Amino acid sequence: LAKTTQPISMDSYEGQEVNITCSHNNIATNDYITWYQQFPSQGPRFIIQGYKTKVTNEVASLFIPADRKSSTLSLPRVSLSDTAVYYCLVGDRTNAGKSTFGDGTTLTVKP
Amino acid sequence: EAGVTQSPTHLIKTRGQQATLRCSPISGHTSVYWYQQALGLGLQFLLWYDEGEERNRGNFPPRFSGRQFPNYSSELNVNALELEDSALYLCARSLGEQFFGPGTRLTVL
Repeated sequence: LAKTTQPISMDSYEGQEVNITCSHNNIATNDYITWYQQFPSQGPRFIIQGYKTKVTNEVASLFIPADRKSSTLSLPRVSLSDTAVYYCLVGDRTNAGKSTFGDGTTLTVKP
Repeated sequence: EAGVTQSPTHLIKTRGQQATLRCSPISGHTSVYWYQQALGLGLQFLLWYDEGEERNRGNFPPRFSGRQFPNYSSELNVNALELEDSALYLCARSLGEQFFGPGTRLTVL
């Protein structure tokens, strides 16, 4: 299983861009990288998924270098409501048992 | 939330009892994934069901079991409850872009 490592916590201010990096040195060829957002006592919410290079949607961007040993979630112009825990998931899309959630990064956005 | 419902929202049990948690994915989705999230910790994979069969299980003892019904809803059963089983139990549909339910908060006293 690909072990993932994320910073435990990050602080930011409203309006800033936030970049959260996840390390996954032993990512497998079939593994995808997925990021989730979780608020207290709620289920995680899907943010973005990618395999390589760059993926962008309406809420975030995901940067994956050529070696795929890390990935960076980029949140543009964060607001107070973006305060949450962000999880990186690396795994095979066809087998949940081969997917590993990181320990999560607690992002605190300050006014 | 996102096409997955879970019940009950909260469940309080005592040590040694059994707990049954339920999950219903949106119509058309055959896979159900169960995760345990202890307070302040990350998600630990429990079980994966697809087309009524258990496809994979995480590193949990046999007293954690479940089943999937013909309508693809699922039950998670935890026997002989222990204090450390207190956690948020999450159910998800799909895998590539997992959509999670709101969870069941199980408290073991």
